[in-house]
Amino acid sequence: QKEVEQDPGPLSVPEGAIVSLNCTYSNSAFQYFMWYRQYSRKGPELLMYTYSSGNKEDGRFTAQVDKSSKYISLFIRDSQPSDSATYLCAMHRAGNQFYFGTGTSLTVIP
Amino acid sequence: ETGVTQTPRHLVMGMTNKKSLKCEQHLGHNAMYWYKQSAKKPLELMFVYNFKEQTENNSVPSRFSPECPNSSHLFLHLHTLQPEDSALYLCASSQGSLSVGGRNEQFFGPGTRLTVL
Repeated sequence: QKEVEQDPGPLSVPEGAIVSLNCTYSNSAFQYFMWYRQYSRKGPELLMYTYSSGNKEDGRFTAQVDKSSKYISLFIRDSQPSDSATYLCAMHRAGNQFYFGTGTSLTVIP
Repeated sequence: ETGVTQTPRHLVMGMTNKKSLKCEQHLGHNAMYWYKQSAKKPLELMFVYNFKEQTENNSVPSRFSPECPNSSHLFLHLHTLQPEDSALYLCASSQGSLSVGGRNEQFFGPGTRLTVL
């Protein structure tokens, strides 16, 4: 079983839609959860960093963690064409061992 | 310069060549990482340095050799690579495993696109 599972998509939505991106994981020891955005031919850019269960909001982005279900989500409100990218989830326990999903490719159509 | 920088951005090399990738972080972090990113695969962690000491080596072939002379610089020396080593090589940095409260988010450089002929 993979440590982190993420649907690769591709996901295509119209401009202004609400986007939901999700990951599941198997290791209950993970405590820190991240979402990265990666544009084509660029390095991943950190979007959200959360600790344990709960919600965190930053502008149009909301990260949600449900540790009981081992499930994390990223919601994008009022999606824009500039949101078109690959979104990677990642997580770690205390320490330097990080685990990444395969990434979900998102296209927002004007 | 800010954040994490990597050079070169693109590299084409033959299987008998020797080359090096360079990474520099300007964030005052104590941990640095090398990852390999191939299409449709999760990021593969290759090496981790924490306070200049190598703490992780995820069964990486010896044709990849890391070097961390100080906490701001990280190199990946390449020799006798194979075509399947073609990928995007990403460098990242973070506060390190001893950070207060456990916060340790990684910041990535733009990557080096490597093609092995």
